[in-house]
Amino acid sequence: NAGVTQTPKFQVLKTGQSMTLQCAQDMNHEYMSWYRQDPGMGLRLIHYSVGAGITDQGEVPNGYNVSRSTTEDFPLRLLSAAPSQTSVYFCASSSSRGLGYTFGSGTRLTVV
Amino acid sequence: GEDVEQSLFLSVREGDSSVINCTYTDSSSTYLYWYKQEPGAGLQLLTYIFSNMDMKQDQRLTVLLNKKDKHLSLRIADTQTGDSAIYFCAERYGGSQGNLIFGKGTKLSVKP
Repeated sequence: NAGVTQTPKFQVLKTGQSMTLQCAQDMNHEYMSWYRQDPGMGLRLIHYSVGAGITDQGEVPNGYNVSRSTTEDFPLRLLSAAPSQTSVYFCASSSSRGLGYTFGSGTRLTVV
Repeated sequence: GEDVEQSLFLSVREGDSSVINCTYTDSSSTYLYWYKQEPGAGLQLLTYIFSNMDMKQDQRLTVLLNKKDKHLSLRIADTQTGDSAIYFCAERYGGSQGNLIFGKGTKLSVKP
């Protein structure tokens, strides 16, 4: 099925560990974004990309890296996990026409 | 900076109409969106409205936009228990990046 695929769905990390959250879309969308969702905070933008080879920081980029080597993939790397990064992470993609972002089903990350 | 505000909770009886309200601050917003999130799931795009429109109707959903007051509302007619979810208002703010700013979400509870 066409859409945005995120892996893994659940992950537990120890403080200081690193990991990569995977995101792939098969809709040939130019725009891709990573958001984190915390209780009472809504969704906050971490990093985004407007095309392959182009990335930029969002509202809460510290502790995260991204790259966009292909149109399809937009991985999010946690460099040294901290308990404050416990959250639900959503990847989303959109065409440049602005007709709404398609969201993945999310990755629930717990850092202990 | 840009901000999107929503009330946090709304409770209605099955069969009644629900109205979820949202205010935004960026007058250069091009598109405004309503997303629905069911427990444990990602965000599902319900509908969107272009900033030069006043109203959009899609089956049981009616979106009203008052651009002067920067006020957006979502009306759900004949609300059902399956409509219980969190509803997010989002604006696509000005610029080519096409990023979204989300409100904190309104939790709709539908009582039988």
